[in-house]
Amino acid sequence: EIVMTQSPATLSVSPGERATLSCRASQNVNSNLAWYQQKLGQGPRLLIFYASTRATGIPARFSGSGSGTDFTLTISSLQPEDLAVYYCQQYNNWPRLTFGQGTKVEI
Amino acid sequence: EVQLVESGGAVVQPGGSLRLSCAASGFTFSRYEMNWVRQAPGKGLEWISYISGSGSPTFYADSVKGRFIISRDNAKNSLFLQMNSLRVEDTAVYYCARGEVMDPYDYWGQGTLVTVSS
Repeated sequence: EIVMTQSPATLSVSPGERATLSCRASQNVNSNLAWYQQKLGQGPRLLIFYASTRATGIPARFSGSGSGTDFTLTISSLQPEDLAVYYCQQYNNWPRLTFGQGTKVEI
Repeated sequence: EVQLVESGGAVVQPGGSLRLSCAASGFTFSRYEMNWVRQAPGKGLEWISYISGSGSPTFYADSVKGRFIISRDNAKNSLFLQMNSLRVEDTAVYYCARGEVMDPYDYWGQGTLVTVSS
């Protein structure tokens, strides 16, 4: 099983500031890495796939980078509605897709 | 608009059974592969099962293999998860999610809560 490790566990950011979230895979996942946003009481929403491609309707302030084992999600100018938990997911080892434990973004 | 709506969650005793459903709309259901993912209270996300558009093949996480069965009815645009021999550690919100081979999950439902407790 590929273990995904996210850091930090909690990130406190003021509105308008940049937020940087990290995700590390225990082995090479190429660029088969997705990021999801989960707001309280909701199902996850796909933000980024193939490490850096924004999903349909996702604002440009969300960007992803990385390949191999180290990945980053950046929110360039945090908005109040970005309060959520963010998960990374590898889909290189299909069908046994695995998720990180999440980073909670606090405003 | 793509919509996935789960139902069937309940409180059940250890050793009991439960059947979850996921009603799909807004896309040609039979053309898409589907998955079940669960989230224990306060925890992260865990993939538990996959089914192809035709219904075969299917795959399971080791944690549920031999106890859970995934199925679908393409005529009724519905996905199912039959859960048997339930354990306390199966307590979680269960999500259905659309996801193809070597692709992420592009749509998720809102989830249904299963509580296994005596």
